[in-house]
Amino acid sequence: DAKTTQPNSMESNEEEPVHLPCNHSTISGTDYIHWYRQLPSQGPEYVIHGLTSNVNNRMASLAIAEDRKSSTLILHRATLRDAAVYYCIRITGGGNKLTFGTGTQLKVEL
Amino acid sequence: NAGVTQTPKFRILKIGQSMTLQCTQDMNHNYMYWYRQDPGMGLKLIYYSVGAGITDKGEVPNGYNVSRSTTEDFPLRLELAAPSQTSVYFCASSLSAGYHNSPLHFGNGTRLTVT
Repeated sequence: DAKTTQPNSMESNEEEPVHLPCNHSTISGTDYIHWYRQLPSQGPEYVIHGLTSNVNNRMASLAIAEDRKSSTLILHRATLRDAAVYYCIRITGGGNKLTFGTGTQLKVEL
Repeated sequence: NAGVTQTPKFRILKIGQSMTLQCTQDMNHNYMYWYRQDPGMGLKLIYYSVGAGITDKGEVPNGYNVSRSTTEDFPLRLELAAPSQTSVYFCASSLSAGYHNSPLHFGNGTRLTVT
């Protein structure tokens, strides 16, 4: 089962950090974790991905648990523009079939 | 750099009509995908292609056809439109399979209504 589990929605205040969790308890050793986000009326946008080590880029940080059964996307300072649906995706097998769940709707308030 | 371009942006079809959703990318990506997204739902994979001349079914291929005659283009064909195909369609591309260091690049979608 290549599915991941995420909360349906989360809220944050602007300028505060946001931690978006994802459970992937059946992950195998070669599966990557990818995060995408989708702003209203747009296509999904790549955010970050990782395998075992924590990863940082200009958009976010990805913290992967030591047992790899869960991960957390970290937005260090949320802005109103970060309000979107965030998808955690587990890349399995040949990686040709990416499965998107319903994601987490992030709401950012002033 | 245009990235992934989809046309049209919007379309209304009558039941039984046919149409082709166009998708082109200018990044020389080998992999291309078609997804549909129903209201309030995640994306479901319709078809994908790993290179010119090669296509394969995704999760929900019924009612659709694709072709990949060039690296750049990956059109999606609806032969007999049905109300169940009302959705937003997204095309995406990637340099290689997802587990490599190559994220998906998405177009901005085609909103299709079948009445």
